Amino acid sequence: DAGVIQSPRHEVTEMGQEVTLRCKPISGHDYLFWYRQTMMRGLELLIYFNNNVPIDDSGMPEDRFSAKMPNASFSTLKIQPSEPRDSAVYFCASSSGAYGYEQYFGPGTRLTVT
Amino acid sequence: GENVEQHPSTLSVQEGDSAVIKCTYSDSASNYFPWYKQELGKRPQLIIDIRSNVGEKKDQRIAVTLNKTAKHFSLHITETQPEDSAVYFCAASIGGSNYKLTFGKGTLLTVNP
Repeated sequence: DAGVIQSPRHEVTEMGQEVTLRCKPISGHDYLFWYRQTMMRGLELLIYFNNNVPIDDSGMPEDRFSAKMPNASFSTLKIQPSEPRDSAVYFCASSSGAYGYEQYFGPGTRLTVT
Repeated sequence: GENVEQHPSTLSVQEGDSAVIKCTYSDSASNYFPWYKQELGKRPQLIIDIRSNVGEKKDQRIAVTLNKTAKHFSLHITETQPEDSAVYFCAASIGGSNYKLTFGKGTLLTVNP
């Protein structure tokens, strides 16, 4: 398996623009997670899904952030409008409930908002 | 809210020495405690995990101990090697779910040859 796939790997955008990050989980995994990593705040869970259904979005910072999982092999994290403080590395991770709790991280998307 | 405290924030050891990283957590319902290693510019990768019904787990040079009464757990790396140099994160499950994790702030481990 190719592992968790994220795109784009790098994104530079201007304040106010819409940003969409994409994730393809490992095939057969039924949990999907979105994390944000910054030097100041560390690694934070934003939202996670089970069987395509959002289970906990309490980590989503504000209404500018939204996440969807239309099917088992695709998820998006959208920021609209983007702000400079959204600059971070965004990781997607997936896990299989049948084989334990290990979360497999994707390579991340480095987002820079100018 | 639930949080995880991790110490030290940086740790420098000589090759061959042991390294110990400690974490404390606040949620009494925490049941799952993974440790992740993250090399510069790379993704976090699980190196070992422990569940609350176990006090200690070992995998070659890496071991984790858990004290649920005191709400702390530790990572032990023996016979350190330069390739062990990375940032290590502890995490604890929160809110009664083994999938919802809160992470410590990380420890930058440097192993000097």
